[in-house]
Amino acid sequence: DAKTTQPTSMDCAEGRAANLPCNHSTISGNEYVYWYRQIHSQGPQYIIHGLKNNETNEMASLIITEDRKSSTLILPHATLRDTAVYYCIAHLGEAAGNKLTFGGGTRVLVKP
Amino acid sequence: EPEVTQTPSHQVTQMGQEVILRCVPISNHLYFYWYRQILGQKVEFLVSFYNNEISEKSEIFDDQFSVERPDGSNFTLKIRSTKLEDSAMYFCASVMNYGYTFGSGTRLTVV
Repeated sequence: DAKTTQPTSMDCAEGRAANLPCNHSTISGNEYVYWYRQIHSQGPQYIIHGLKNNETNEMASLIITEDRKSSTLILPHATLRDTAVYYCIAHLGEAAGNKLTFGGGTRVLVKP
Repeated sequence: EPEVTQTPSHQVTQMGQEVILRCVPISNHLYFYWYRQILGQKVEFLVSFYNNEISEKSEIFDDQFSVERPDGSNFTLKIRSTKLEDSAMYFCASVMNYGYTFGSGTRLTVV
């Protein structure tokens, strides 16, 4: 899996959008960008993934630059329960049971 | 929503003892995994399991570790002779098409 780089931590105000950046300049053409989060020692939770196009689901939006070298996860209206470590992972996908490789992630603190 | 269930949530064991961590993956999932996270460190891959055999394992997964899916539902991780450095959160995960589902983990404390 390609290496990803994320800020170590960031704060966000409750009710505001949280924009989490990720750099993956060496991502290969068949690697997806996946986002997971881990709330205080619970198991990681899948958020969203994408290949080239922007994606949106009930949890978040994912914006991938045209050159695919970076992406941004957007939590549109952050709540206190969104406080977690967020992991950006470049991944070949689940076909053939490819494993996930976690980095350090971004520790997001949502403040009232 | 389907869940991956892990038991026990917390296990304390003496060094040198065997432990078995249990997981019930989501029933129609095909791939099963164990990960661990030592306190304050990254989530690390241990092993993946498909079609009743190990498909990949990490360097951490040495001869002291084994996995089984004995009855088509449970998925177990056995540590034969625990060491102090095995103390960690152990997460089971399964996947069908996309997006791993992780269990809530077993906190293993070796004393």
